[in-house]
Amino acid sequence: GAVVSQHPSWVICKSGTSVKIECRSLDFQATTMFWYRQFPKQSLMLMATSNEGSKATYEQGVEKDKFLINHASLTLSTLTVTSAHPEDSSFYICSTRETSVTDTQYFGPGTRLTVL
Amino acid sequence: GENVEQHPSTLSVQEGDSAVIKCTYSDSASNYFPWYKQELGKGPQLIIDIRSNVGEKKDQRIAVTLNKTAKHFSLHITETQPEDSAVYFCAASNSGGYQKVTFGTGTKLQVIP
Repeated sequence: GAVVSQHPSWVICKSGTSVKIECRSLDFQATTMFWYRQFPKQSLMLMATSNEGSKATYEQGVEKDKFLINHASLTLSTLTVTSAHPEDSSFYICSTRETSVTDTQYFGPGTRLTVL
Repeated sequence: GENVEQHPSTLSVQEGDSAVIKCTYSDSASNYFPWYKQELGKGPQLIIDIRSNVGEKKDQRIAVTLNKTAKHFSLHITETQPEDSAVYFCAASNSGGYQKVTFGTGTKLQVIP
């Protein structure tokens, strides 16, 4: 399968600060990347769809001003959690879809965010 | 929107036995059904997928079946091994346009040596 990397793998920050998470598609160009959030023992919840060169599409209930997404190139998307609060502590996972018509998504290893 | 239900939530089997996980979906327009394996602290890994023009697909010890009429699909793991222990997620999506994937609630599989 495709290789997707995320950085950092874990991060601890103070309440009120901002945290940036990077997602890289290492072996194909991804016009579309997806950002998910997963709380302990729960399923993956789609937060937003990141489109290269255009604004991200956010799911209902996800604050676009709090979770800033930038997809500046075909291999990199970033998620910035602004003014983080303890309730934002979660496992954030990105996935990529190839530029071709295939709908297969490949996931990154995830980033564990802990907000103190 | 699409709704995917997954059962059971937990499953314990003896090593060497088979494991079956079942999912149902609600949107008849869904035509792509991937299965993911997630180990603790890691991202989901695609293990097998099936499209709506196929009823069954097999890859070594893993097989998936799809019943479009009943809107359900299942994952079958034969000759289970301890390393199969993980959380498994089914998912469904419509290949057109947006391609949003809706995940099931997950099944924690424990293979007892």
